[in-house]
Amino acid sequence: DTAVSQTPKYLVTQMGNDKSIKCEQNLGHDTMYWYKQDSKKFLKIMFSYNNKELIINETVPNRFSPKSPDKAHLNLHINSLELGDSAVYFCASSQSTGANVLTFGAGSRLTVL
Amino acid sequence: LAKTTQPISMDSYEGQEVNITCSHNNIATNDYITWYQQFPSQGPRFIIQGYKTKVTNEVASLFIPADRKSSTLSLPRVSLSDTAVYYCLVGPQAAGNKLTFGGGTRVLVKP
Repeated sequence: DTAVSQTPKYLVTQMGNDKSIKCEQNLGHDTMYWYKQDSKKFLKIMFSYNNKELIINETVPNRFSPKSPDKAHLNLHINSLELGDSAVYFCASSQSTGANVLTFGAGSRLTVL
Repeated sequence: LAKTTQPISMDSYEGQEVNITCSHNNIATNDYITWYQQFPSQGPRFIIQGYKTKVTNEVASLFIPADRKSSTLSLPRVSLSDTAVYYCLVGPQAAGNKLTFGGGTRVLVKP
C-alpha cells in the first residue's frame, strides 16, 4: 500500500505539448509538495499546499499549474513543455506540525524531446 | 533558511561506521536538523531528526553539539545497500517551510 503514489512514472513527450502528473497520499497528511530534481541532482521545491491552499510558489514559470482537489491529492499540469523541463518531479507530503519530515513518492521522470 | 555545507562524497567499506558532518552556522533557534537518504531512481527517505544533543533510532544516530552549528550523522556498520546520497536539511517545523535540499553527500560503500 504505497503511501505517496505518483503517476505516470515515466513521461516522454515533444516540446510544446501539455502534460500532467498526478499524486495521491494515503497518510492523512495535510501538506503536499512538488519538488524538481534536475540532472545535477539538486532537489528544488516548486509548490506546497496546506489543506488545499497554496502556501509556497517558488518562482516557477506560470506554465506550471498545481491543483489540489482535496488534501490527499496534488496534481501538476505543465503547458507548452520546453527542453529545460526535463527532470524528475517528486511529490511529497507531511503534517504541517512536522513539516521537516516529508514522505516522498517514487518520482516521475519527464523527458522533453 | 539556514544554509548547509556537507562533503560532496565519502567512500567506506562494509562493516565500518560512516560519519557525515554537516555545517549550519546560521541555524535559527526554532530550526530542526533533518537527514534524508536517497537511492538512485527513488525519492528521498527520512532517516532521522534532532534539535540538540543526541538522537538514535534503528537506522542511525545524530550528534548535535551545544552550539548547534553543525551535526554529524553516524551510520553504524554500513553495508553495500547503504550506498546512497545523504542530505542534511535545517529549518523550522511549520508549514510553509521551504525545505531546501543541497547537493548532499554521496556515500559509496565498497565490499
